[in-house]
Amino acid sequence: SQTIHQWPATLVQPVGSPLSLECTVEGTSNPNLYWYRQAAGRGLQLLFYSVGIGQISSEVPQNLSASRPQDRQFILSSKKLLLSDSGFYLCAWGGNTEAFFGQGTRLTVV
Amino acid sequence: AQKVTQAQTEISVVEKEDVTLDCVYETRDTTYYLFWYKQPPSGELVFLIRRNSFDEQNEISGRYSWNFQKSTSSFNFTITASQVVDSAVYFCALSEARTGGFKTIFGAGTRLFVKA
Repeated sequence: SQTIHQWPATLVQPVGSPLSLECTVEGTSNPNLYWYRQAAGRGLQLLFYSVGIGQISSEVPQNLSASRPQDRQFILSSKKLLLSDSGFYLCAWGGNTEAFFGQGTRLTVV
Repeated sequence: AQKVTQAQTEISVVEKEDVTLDCVYETRDTTYYLFWYKQPPSGELVFLIRRNSFDEQNEISGRYSWNFQKSTSSFNFTITASQVVDSAVYFCALSEARTGGFKTIFGAGTRLFVKA
């Protein structure tokens, strides 16, 4: 069966520090992968999606970047975090079928 | 442009009332997929239903029912005889084909409070 792993679960980082969130998928090949952000009390905003290795589509201009170095690995990064980067980050895989979500990372930038 | 609008930010009902959550979408594609997810207070996203753009049949699953109308670009979700356990944030989502895969976006969500 397919599983998705996302870590860490919580993270507190100072403003200006770098960020790296990792997501890996098991049990499927060539998945469509997504990074979403859910700000406090708000909806899910699509940040990046990827249909294959090295293929990244960015949905909103921001302080973040994404990379897909391997078929089942999706990384969300930042060189310098801003306070506004705080939120709940969700990795997902899917497409025209239901999306499967990781457990999420709650990021607090202080 | 691809867009999902859930105009109701919060809804509060008393247990046993029926409640309808609205979802309106925009797409230029003829083939697309619509979804509803539930996010309980624990935070995980729970898949509820998937519909493709060629299947306009309404669906009922227990106390849940969905009304898909292409003519109005709506995919509304009704909970009959609501219960306290239905309290959650509900998201509508739209998935469209892109080169090599699919792009899925979500609405802003509707927070449902069901009071005992």
